[in-house]
Amino acid sequence: DAGVTQSPTHLIKTRGQQVTLRCSPKSGHDTVSWYQQALGQGPQFIFQYYEEEERQRGNFPDRFSGHQFPNYSSELNVNALLLGDSALYLCASSLGDSFVFYGYTFGSGTRLTVV
Amino acid sequence: DAKTTQPPSMDCAEGRAANLPCNHSTISGNEYVYWYRQIHSQGPQYIIHGLKNNETNEMASLIITEDRKSSTLILPHATLRDTAVYYCIVRPYGSSNTGKLIFGQGTTLQVKP
Repeated sequence: DAGVTQSPTHLIKTRGQQVTLRCSPKSGHDTVSWYQQALGQGPQFIFQYYEEEERQRGNFPDRFSGHQFPNYSSELNVNALLLGDSALYLCASSLGDSFVFYGYTFGSGTRLTVV
Repeated sequence: DAKTTQPPSMDCAEGRAANLPCNHSTISGNEYVYWYRQIHSQGPQYIIHGLKNNETNEMASLIITEDRKSSTLILPHATLRDTAVYYCIVRPYGSSNTGKLIFGQGTTLQVKP
């Protein structure tokens, strides 16, 4: 049973460019959350998607946007990249609110480097 | 902002119990305590959670003080594979609360041979 799959694993972009990161949730899961983890820091919540809608959003600018597809997969888009956007981007999935009892399943992340 | 306090680092000898403390003195009555860990180059992994009773699963035990202001995660027989950053997180229970997790800096546990 595949867990959470994220692509690509590594990415290098130039300041000002746009990037799209992809996430396939664990089989059977319908809720996807995105986190940003800067080097040496804990993950920071970006937003969560459920039923193709953004359900909650963290303290991130509008340059960060997302989408969830009918098959529950998700994309994270970041526009006008800044050097400070360099981080590990993590995707987490769950079945509805089951994370309360079983926790989230995280992917291994996409390492984004902005130069 | 994280509502928990953890020591930045700890060492443990392989085969011994690892006891990781967490302070959550402002915890509310409807908040659970969750523990996740993050092994280098991987995403966080759920370990265990509890409300007020002690909990045990195949990975670890969670001891929550009676006043719920602190807790301890216990790995009974630490192995080298348990070397990771351990995060203690409190979050409210209830379907009206979405799943945002607030991670702090965590405790880096180094298991030594």
